[in-house]
Amino acid sequence: KQEVTQIPAALSVPEGENLVLNCSFTDSAIYNLQWFRQDPGKGLTSLLLIQSSQREQTSGRLNASLDKSSGRSTLYIAASQPGDSATYLCAVAGYTGANSKLTFGKGITLSVRP
Amino acid sequence: EAQVTQNPRYLITVTGKKLTVTCSQNMNHEYMSWYRQDPGLGLRQIYYSMNVEVTDKGDVPEGYKVSRKEKRNFPLILESPSPNQTSLYFCASSPVGQGRYEQYFGPGTRLTVT
Repeated sequence: KQEVTQIPAALSVPEGENLVLNCSFTDSAIYNLQWFRQDPGKGLTSLLLIQSSQREQTSGRLNASLDKSSGRSTLYIAASQPGDSATYLCAVAGYTGANSKLTFGKGITLSVRP
Repeated sequence: EAQVTQNPRYLITVTGKKLTVTCSQNMNHEYMSWYRQDPGLGLRQIYYSMNVEVTDKGDVPEGYKVSRKEKRNFPLILESPSPNQTSLYFCASSPVGQGRYEQYFGPGTRLTVT
C-alpha cells in the first residue's frame, strides 16, 4: 500500500528565503507526482505535475524534482513571499488498475513572515 | 473557463436526512473522483468513475453512493448521513484514467452532520 510522507508538518521562514519542501513515498511504481497548494478552507490548486519518466518541472519560482528510485520529491520555492503561505500537498498516482487514485501526504503548512 | 464545480459549498444537516452533493466539470473528462479530507488523515478517495455508467469504490466508500449518468456530472449521495461523515469533500476530474494526467479539483464542500 502506497504511503506518502511530508515532514515537517509545519514550517516558518522569513520572507525572501529559498526553501525546499520534501515528500517521500514508499512504492516507486507511480505514474506521476503532483504538488498542490491549499489555502485555509479552500480547494486544491495544482502547482506542478511530474510524470514518472521526468526528473523535474518548473513553473515560475517553483521547481519540483522527482527521484523515483529513492521515492523522493522536493518542491523548491525561490525567494519566498508572504503570499506563498499555504499548505503544500504532494500526491502520487499509482498503478491501481484503472483507478487514477491519488495518494496524498498530509501536507506541510508554510508560513512566510514579512 | 475550465473548471470543476461543486454544490453546495457549505451544508449543515441532521443525522439521517438524505443529501446529495453535486459535481460538474466542463472539460469533457472521462475520469472523476470524490475525496474527503479530515484533520490528521489527509485526503482519502471515496469513489471514482472511469466513464459514464462505470463507477467503483475507493478507500472509504461506506455510507456513500455515486452515479454517473452523464459524462460531466458525478453526484455524491449520502442516503443516511451520520456525524462521522462530517468532513471537507472534494470532487476531481482528469482526461483519462491511468494517472498520466493532471487532476483538477473542485472548490470543496464542507459538510457538518449533527
